[in-house]
Amino acid sequence: DAKTTQPNSMESNEEEPVHLPCNHSTISGTDYIHWYRQLPSQGPEYVIHGLTSNVNNRMASLAIAEDRKSSTLILHRATLRDAAVYYCILRDRKKSSGDKLTFGTGTRLAVRP
Amino acid sequence: GAVVSQHPSWVICKSGTSVKIECRSLDFQATTMFWYRQFPKQSLMLMATSNEGSKATYEQGVEKDKFLINHASLTLSTLTVTSAHPEDSSFYICSARSGPEANSPLHFGNGTRLTVT
Repeated sequence: DAKTTQPNSMESNEEEPVHLPCNHSTISGTDYIHWYRQLPSQGPEYVIHGLTSNVNNRMASLAIAEDRKSSTLILHRATLRDAAVYYCILRDRKKSSGDKLTFGTGTRLAVRP
Repeated sequence: GAVVSQHPSWVICKSGTSVKIECRSLDFQATTMFWYRQFPKQSLMLMATSNEGSKATYEQGVEKDKFLINHASLTLSTLTVTSAHPEDSSFYICSARSGPEANSPLHFGNGTRLTVT
């Protein structure tokens, strides 16, 4: 399975935008890029996903590089409640095993008040 | 939105006893559910795939006789940790996909923290 690489940690100030990068240089044509986050002592929570085009939802935006070898999760205005571990995960839409998510170490985001 | 509920949220048991953890999909049916384990300061590790009406499939290195999985209905999967030992203390999390599309989001329970004394 294609792997992703993320920085171990990042910091942000409250109410400022945050850009969380993810590298996936071995991504295949059938891989979707998914982002989940895990707040302390909770299960992961779906954030956003995309294939080729940039995506927006109420939680965040996802910017995908033209060659799809990297992507960036954008939180437009960070709040203290956004402090979590953010996971960038590739899901193969052609495989029945695509629901078996492989979690890397993710990026731990700290938000300063 | 789709919700996955786990019960209990935390449990303390004595070494040698068994503990059952329930995972329910509250507003959708799930023929497949997934069980993960997360040790402190580590990432989630997939343990097994729970299949409704058939046997679970386990990841390499996970003992099927120790971690019994039952998926008797389309909304309930249970994980039983048998003869628990302190090294089984961990955060157990289940997930399921709510939509029919292959890229539909996975929804996770809030986890069960197991402490074995």
